[in-house]
This record gives sequence, C-alpha cells and structure tokens, in this order.
Amino acid sequence: GENVEQHPSTLSVQEGDSAVIKCTYSDSASNYFPWYKQELGKGPQLIIDIRSNVGEKKDQRIAVTLNKTAKHFSLHITETQPEDSAVYFCAAPLQGAQKLVFGQGTRLTINP
Amino acid sequence: KAGVTQTPRYLIKTRGQQVTLSCSPISGHRSVSWYQQTPGQGLQFLFEYFSETQRNKGNFPGRFSGRQFSNSRSEMNVSTLELGDSALYLCASSSVTSGSTGELFFGEGSRLTVL
Repeated sequence: GENVEQHPSTLSVQEGDSAVIKCTYSDSASNYFPWYKQELGKGPQLIIDIRSNVGEKKDQRIAVTLNKTAKHFSLHITETQPEDSAVYFCAAPLQGAQKLVFGQGTRLTINP
Repeated sequence: KAGVTQTPRYLIKTRGQQVTLSCSPISGHRSVSWYQQTPGQGLQFLFEYFSETQRNKGNFPGRFSGRQFSNSRSEMNVSTLELGDSALYLCASSSVTSGSTGELFFGEGSRLTVL
C-alpha cells in the first residue's frame, strides 16, 4: 500500500519569507498529489493539487512541484502571511480508490 | 451550496459505551469517507462509501462500522468504546465516482472524548 512521509513536522518562518514542506511517497503508480490546510477547529481544506502528468503547478503564492522519478513532491508558499499559519498535510491515493493516505502534517507558524 | 455537515460536534462517552456519528455530504456528492484524526497517528482512513456500498476499509477493528443511506448521508458507529478511541472523526465527501481520485471536502469533525 501507499506510504507518505512528510517533513518537517514543525516550521516557523518570518512573515514575508518562503516556506517549503516536502513529502515522499512509496507507490510509483500514484498519480494525484493534493495538499490540505487545516486551521484550528476546522476540517482540512484542499489548497492545491497536482497530477502526475505535470511537474509544477502554481496558484498565486502557492506552488507544488512533483518529481516522479524520486517519488517526492513539495509545497512552496512565498511571501508568507499570518493567515498562512496552520497545519498542512500532503496526501497520495491508494491506487484506484477514493482513499487518501496522508502525511503526518506540518505545523507552520508565521512570525510577524 | 452547503458544505459537509457533521453531528454532533462534541461528545463525551465512557468506556464500554457506543457512539453514532452522522455526516451529511455536499448535495450531489455520492462518495463519503471517514477519517480518524489523533495527535499521534495523524489522519487515518476508516472507510469509504459510494451509493450505499462500502468500497474501501482501513485497518481498524470491527468495533468501527459505518453505513450510507440512499440520500448519501452516512453514519459511523463505534461500539465498546476504549480510551484510545478519543479523536476527531472527520467525514469527507467527493463528487468523483469510481476508479479515480479527486478533491475531498471535509466537515469540521466530531470530537469524541472517551473517559
């Protein structure tokens, strides 16, 4: 089955700086890689995703890169703002299933 | 469009009791998944339902069960509660049908405390 590892578990950056979170996955057949943001007291919310036919995807200050050969993908947040403080999860699917295997999460803190 | 609604939001039970949690998916979504979230284990998949059929099941004991109704609403049940069942139980719905994976829309969860 799929196994997803996420690093770091905590990350603290100054407002305006960039933040990078990295994940590795085990199943080379995986083809969909979402990132979720979870704010305090709320459920996770999709912020960006990438499919295996592209290497990078951007949405304003957020970008995701995918390296299928190395089986890792990363979340990049530029010009961080206080509202970016949250827990971020990467995930990969169990092949052919509506089941996501999540990384352990990264608690991102933006310092003003 | 209303989001995923979970009830109750908070509940406290004692060991040995049983609990039922409810989830109403986004209108039109036929796939409903359940996840358990704990500080130590992160987000763990429980099961997924599509059109009243369980399609996938995670590695949880038989005390954890679920079902889906014809209107796509879902319930999960935990019997003979243990202290380790204390967690946030998250429900997610999806518009994707079968054989592929797409965005999951999560509810705010039901926080269960077992004393």
